[in-house]
Amino acid sequence: AQSVSQHNHHVILSEAASLELGCNYSYGGTVNLFWYVQYPGQHLQLLLKYFSGDPLVKGIKGFEAEFIKSKFSFNLRKPSVQWSDTAEYFCAVISNFGNEKLTFGTGTRLTIIP
Amino acid sequence: DTEVTQTPKHLVMGMTNKKSLKCEQHMGHRAMYWYKQKAKKPPELMFVYSYEKLSINESVPSRFSPECPNSSLLNLHLHALQPEDSALYLCASSQEKRRQGREAFFGQGTRLTVV
Repeated sequence: AQSVSQHNHHVILSEAASLELGCNYSYGGTVNLFWYVQYPGQHLQLLLKYFSGDPLVKGIKGFEAEFIKSKFSFNLRKPSVQWSDTAEYFCAVISNFGNEKLTFGTGTRLTIIP
Repeated sequence: DTEVTQTPKHLVMGMTNKKSLKCEQHMGHRAMYWYKQKAKKPPELMFVYSYEKLSINESVPSRFSPECPNSSLLNLHLHALQPEDSALYLCASSQEKRRQGREAFFGQGTRLTVV
């Protein structure tokens, strides 16, 4: 069964600091990987996704993520965070074939201090 | 049009009521999902429909009854719910595309309160 773990439960940063949120997944086959963001009181929005090809993917709002197959990791990064990045961030995985179950990690709450 | 529409946005129901949540997508996606999300928690998968057939039921209590009338619509029928069922209910759809893989699109959710 596939699973996703996010090690950082709550991250607090000052504006302009650099961000890295960890995500590791467990699945034996080919996967698609995603980072979703949920701003307070709002719905889930897709930040970025990895399907194949270049393991460094760029998303919206200046976010990027790197897929490292050997480490089963898909960490999210941003060089300089803003107060408006305060939100909950979820990593998710879905199998490329067969089972269509989209599995989420436990989420990381990011608080940016002005 | 990359949209999943859910209605209603808010719902308050008593424990003896019967209500339904509705979800609609016109992206031609063949997989549709119901998720339940409690505050400050990740979405928990409830059901997956694939080509209008129920493919995954994550041991959800029978007071939640999904229905997929056609490829664009997904309903969640609610009956005899408990206060602990109060949550945000999210609908999503996905489709596998060559060279793009799968991507799930989420609706805005229905915030359900059971009183």
